[in-house]
Amino acid sequence: EPEVTQTPSHQVTQMGQEVILRCVPISNHLYFYWYRQILGQKVEFLVSFYNNEISEKSEIFDDQFSVERPDGSNFTLKIRSTKLEDSAMYFCASSEGTKLYGYTFGSGTRLTVV
Amino acid sequence: GQQLNQSPQSMFIQEGEDVSMNCTSSSIFNTWLWYKQEPGEGPVLLIALYKAGELTSNGRLTAQFGITRKDSFLNISASIPSDVGIYFCAGQLGNQFYFGTGTSLTVIP
Repeated sequence: EPEVTQTPSHQVTQMGQEVILRCVPISNHLYFYWYRQILGQKVEFLVSFYNNEISEKSEIFDDQFSVERPDGSNFTLKIRSTKLEDSAMYFCASSEGTKLYGYTFGSGTRLTVV
Repeated sequence: GQQLNQSPQSMFIQEGEDVSMNCTSSSIFNTWLWYKQEPGEGPVLLIALYKAGELTSNGRLTAQFGITRKDSFLNISASIPSDVGIYFCAGQLGNQFYFGTGTSLTVIP
């Protein structure tokens, strides 16, 4: 079964450093998403991306965050200057279209900011 | 953001028992979904509900989309140890999912 792949599974970074979280969406999917989940809390939407541009973003997705599709397979989330409160699981997801069909989450990257 | 409240927050049940959890919101959603999340993993879709009043089953799982489109319940019959995990409801608006606060399920063998 097709999977959304995220790397690394766990990243530890110092406060103030830049991090890039990587995702390989399912190959025929056109819509890409990032969500985050602070430990013990609910999953929260960050951003959706289609046709090489952001289509929606939440209030969490401020100027410290950016997304990019640098090539035909990867989808990245960059946090420019990490803060302690950025520590969370970050989930990538992808879907074929605007409906639910095939909407699939990756296993997540656990980001720890120290 | 949209608020979806789930209850109960946690459940401890004996293997074989039935489970019921629900989700309510002040907002109307087009679609309601139920996900299960296991430790260190991403959410996995269990059931999707598309129409108000819809009742859908997936094996031992049954879920209903409330008539008002502001609530949903999930039932699990004859629980087994592998049902352990956190169950999230989610409402869909556009391409975005709004997740509930989660119900943690522990099944005691």
